[in-house]
Amino acid sequence: NAGVTQTPKFRILKIGQSMTLQCTQDMNHNYMYWYRQDPGMGLKLIYYSVGAGITDKGEVPNGYNVSRSTTEDFPLRLELAAPSQTSVYFCASTDSGRASHEQYFGPGTRLTVT
Amino acid sequence: AQSVAQPEDQVNVAEGNPLTVKCTYSVSGNPYLFWYVQYPNRGLQFLLKYITGDNLVKGSYGFEAEFNKSQTSFHLKKPSALVSDSALYFCAVRPPDSNYQLIWGAGTKLIIKP
Repeated sequence: NAGVTQTPKFRILKIGQSMTLQCTQDMNHNYMYWYRQDPGMGLKLIYYSVGAGITDKGEVPNGYNVSRSTTEDFPLRLELAAPSQTSVYFCASTDSGRASHEQYFGPGTRLTVT
Repeated sequence: AQSVAQPEDQVNVAEGNPLTVKCTYSVSGNPYLFWYVQYPNRGLQFLLKYITGDNLVKGSYGFEAEFNKSQTSFHLKKPSALVSDSALYFCAVRPPDSNYQLIWGAGTKLIIKP
């Protein structure tokens, strides 16, 4: 199993540009999450999904959109990028049907908006 | 508001000495408690968790954590530190009925000196 994969690893955007961060998991997990990690801060939840076709806002959803058309994929869309969106983005997943409870993380995407 | 506190931004320990990374939380009910580790330029990796039962839980890489309900703490420990333990450590809490969302501490940088 590859686990949780994210692309790209790095990206530089100009203000006002748009992009999609890709996230795929091959563990058949039903729950998926997008976080951002700012320097010296913990993780902030942007959006999450409890299954295909179902998404909900987290703590910091403004400026982002998500979709979940399949169990495996959970892309994060940035529209009209702003410098405040410079951060490291992590995708994670978990299986609510198992007792393990822990979240599995991708390697992250480092985004710079200038 | 529910929160997780990691009171130390950085902990410095000599190799071979015991280490403790502190975590306290303010969450109602009986939460699930987690520790994750993040090595430079990597995603987060699960270390250990407390769900119920014995207050001392053992995890990966020789780490353990002690749950103290009266003090609402979940401190991470290791009897003998290795230089390779140097990393960023995050405490996270899942409140009951939280839709599997986690509340994250800000992280503690652990530096082990030879």
